[in-house]
Amino acid sequence: KAGVTQTPRYLIKTRGQQVTLSCSPISGHRSVSWYQQTPGQGLQFLFEYFSETQRNKGNFPGRFSGRQFSNSRSEMNVSTLELGDSALYLCASSPEIVDEQFFGPGTRLTVL
Amino acid sequence: KNQVEQSPQSLIILEGKNCTLQCNYTVSPFSNLRWYKQDTGRGPVSLTIMTFSENTKSNGRYTATLDADTKQSSLHITASQLSDSASYICVVSAMSNYQLIWGAGTKLIIKP
Repeated sequence: KAGVTQTPRYLIKTRGQQVTLSCSPISGHRSVSWYQQTPGQGLQFLFEYFSETQRNKGNFPGRFSGRQFSNSRSEMNVSTLELGDSALYLCASSPEIVDEQFFGPGTRLTVL
Repeated sequence: KNQVEQSPQSLIILEGKNCTLQCNYTVSPFSNLRWYKQDTGRGPVSLTIMTFSENTKSNGRYTATLDADTKQSSLHITASQLSDSASYICVVSAMSNYQLIWGAGTKLIIKP
């Protein structure tokens, strides 16, 4: 089975722009979660989707949004980028919400 | 408040030595506890996942223990190798909403 894939792997944007990151979960997995990891910091939970519905949401401003499609693929969007948004964005999938999560390689976003 | 605390924050040991990492949590009601290994710049990889009724689980040279009464877990690494250098993260799932509470991780460095 193919693992979790994330595109793009690297991205450079400037302040004020918006960005869309994509995640394709493992085939058959219905839950997709997104995390932000800044240098030297732990993972910060952004949101979790299950069957196209947002089930849990972390403590991030409304500039961060996401969605899940019927094929379980997910996208997250960050609008009005700030320098502090520079981070590794990780996507994880699992068959159900309570199951073990499998992580993708991440998208490294740099905001200049 | 649901929290996961890990200690030590960082640890340096010589190749071939054993080490033990600690995780204390206040998450209630408890669903399961997971240990992840994260290499720098990559997504975390699951090592073990334990439910309430399990108090020991092994994955090769990694052995996790869980004491649900004292709400403590440990990850023991035997005969460390250079490839064990990574961050080790403890994650606890809350049964109420299946939200994952992430610890800040322990950064382990193995020196030759």
